[in-house]
Amino acid sequence: EPEVTQTPSHQVTQMGQEVILRCVPISNHLYFYWYRQILGQKVEFLVSFYNNEISEKSEIFDDQFSVERPDGSNFTLKIRSTKLEDSAMYFCASSKIRGTLHEQYFGPGTRLTVT
Amino acid sequence: AQKITQTQPGMFVQEKEAVTLDCTYDTSDPSYGLFWYKQPSSGEMIFLIYQGSYDQQNATEGRYSLNFQKARKSANLVISASQLGDSAMYFCAMREFTQGGSEKLVFGKGTKLTVNP
Repeated sequence: EPEVTQTPSHQVTQMGQEVILRCVPISNHLYFYWYRQILGQKVEFLVSFYNNEISEKSEIFDDQFSVERPDGSNFTLKIRSTKLEDSAMYFCASSKIRGTLHEQYFGPGTRLTVT
Repeated sequence: AQKITQTQPGMFVQEKEAVTLDCTYDTSDPSYGLFWYKQPSSGEMIFLIYQGSYDQQNATEGRYSLNFQKARKSANLVISASQLGDSAMYFCAMREFTQGGSEKLVFGKGTKLTVNP
């Protein structure tokens, strides 16, 4: 069964450093998403991406965040200058079609620790 | 205002018994979707079941069923014949369509289910 993959599974970085979290969505999916889950809290939407551009972003997704689909398979989230409060689990998700019963498939997550 | 409310931070159930995890939602859109995801201690999000607002019947997937009461805006997850492997966090989520023409999932705070042997 096709699945969303994410690398790395765990990233430790120092405050102020740039990090890139990578995702490979399911190959025939068209919509891509990033979500964040701070430890012990609920999952929060960050951004959605379709047709090579951002469709929607939350108030969390400020100027230090960016997303890119550099080729036909990868979907990346970049945090330019990490802060302690960026420590969280970051989930990538993809869906085939918007607004149908097709669910968003989640990747296994990348745990980001900012020290 | 909270759009997805899960009032049970923790639930306990005996193995082989059924358990109901509560979820209420708030939306003014006539078209919406409700999801349940399971998050084991390893952290991944596992899709369990989906209910569309126009679905006439309650969704079922194996041991999972969704008790959808539209007028009460509730979408409770029922797990029958609980197994030890069901111990996990369970999140209720609602699909929202965004102004940008996309969609996003809005999650509740989750319920931690513990299945006792």
